[in-house]
Parts: sequence; C-alpha cells; structure tokens
Amino acid sequence: GDSVTQMEGPVTLSEEAFLTINCTYTATGYPSLFWYVQYPGEGLQLLLKATKADDKGSNKGFEATYRKETTSFHLEKGSVQVSDSAVYFCALSGSGYALNFGKGTSLLVTP
Amino acid sequence: GAVVSQHPSWVICKSGTSVKIECRSLDFQATTMFWYRQFPKQSLMLMATSNEGSKATYEQGVEKDKFLINHASLTLSTLTVTSAHPEDSSFYICSANVNTGELFFGEGSRLTVL
Repeated sequence: GDSVTQMEGPVTLSEEAFLTINCTYTATGYPSLFWYVQYPGEGLQLLLKATKADDKGSNKGFEATYRKETTSFHLEKGSVQVSDSAVYFCALSGSGYALNFGKGTSLLVTP
Repeated sequence: GAVVSQHPSWVICKSGTSVKIECRSLDFQATTMFWYRQFPKQSLMLMATSNEGSKATYEQGVEKDKFLINHASLTLSTLTVTSAHPEDSSFYICSANVNTGELFFGEGSRLTVL
C-alpha cells in the first residue's frame, strides 16, 4: 500500500543554518504530496503541497519539489529561525481525502 | 483558513469507562471528517472516515465497537472510546476537508486511561 518514509529526528540546527528533511514515498498512481507542521501545543497545519511531478511547493521560505523519478519530496529551507522549531510531517493523499503520514521529524533551532 | 476544533484537549479517565471526543468545523460544513490516532514518536494512523448521516468507514484493524463514531451534523463528529483501557491512551486528532480538498486538523485530544 501507500506509505511515506521520512528521516528520523530530532534534528538540531543553529539559527540561519540550511535545513533538509528527507521524505520518500511509495504509492500506486499519482498521489499529491504534502508537508504539514505541528508547532508545540498546536494542531497540524499545512505547510506546502505539490500535486504533480516536478511541481514545487513553497511557503514561509520552505520548499519541496515533487520528484517522481526518485519518489521523493524533500523539505528545504535556506535559513532556519528559532520559530521554525516544530515537528514536520510528510504525507501523501490516499483514498478519498485521507492522508498517509510519515512518522514526523522534530526540528529544534537554537539561537 | 478553515477552523477545526476538538474538545476536550486533554482527558484522564478510569479503566472501563467511556470517553467522548468532539470534533467541530467552526466556519464551514464538513460532510466528511477523519479520525487519526498518534502514538508517541509515531506517525498519525488513520482510524476511520466519518460520513455525515451514514456509518463511519473503519480502517483495517480498528475495532468499530470500541471506537464509536457519530457524524450527526455537518459540523460535528464525535469519537467515543468505549470501555477504555490503558492501551487506548493516545493522542486522537480529527480533520475535515473543505470543498477544495484541503484538509484542516483539530488541535488533538490527549487521552490517558488509568
């Protein structure tokens, strides 16, 4: 079945460092891909998405490109801030509008 | 964006009792809502799809008699954990999709069964 694998955390970076969180997927058909973020004490929020191959989703300085050839959707940000500390989930669309999630990657950015 | 609210956000109960968790779409109507369960340091696992006015669709391995889902209106779905046991302790999250297909998530409800 469909599944998502993302790198395990926690990831600890200094402010202004470059961030990459790897995500690969297995799916039949052509799923849409998502990154969700969960800030401490809050619910999940959509960060960005891509609906077809070679699409690039971007938001708040984060980017991810839908790579069909490598079945990947890696999340990147050029310069992280302390406020980016959160748990990041990669996900793909399953049946209907339900999503299959990766295990989440915890990011801690230190001043 | 659309707002989905869950209540309670945190509940402790005794083993053998039942607990109800509510999920409300505050500013839109949701014909379909989804219930997820999140274990510590684990992914979100889809439990069931809640359909307004009809029976929920449960994922394989989820006990429908233990996790009762009711979607009586277009803005409210409830998850009742019946005869709760310590292994039911978890973080339960609901979500709802708007007509664009985007999913919005509630804040989650942490259940602890003693």
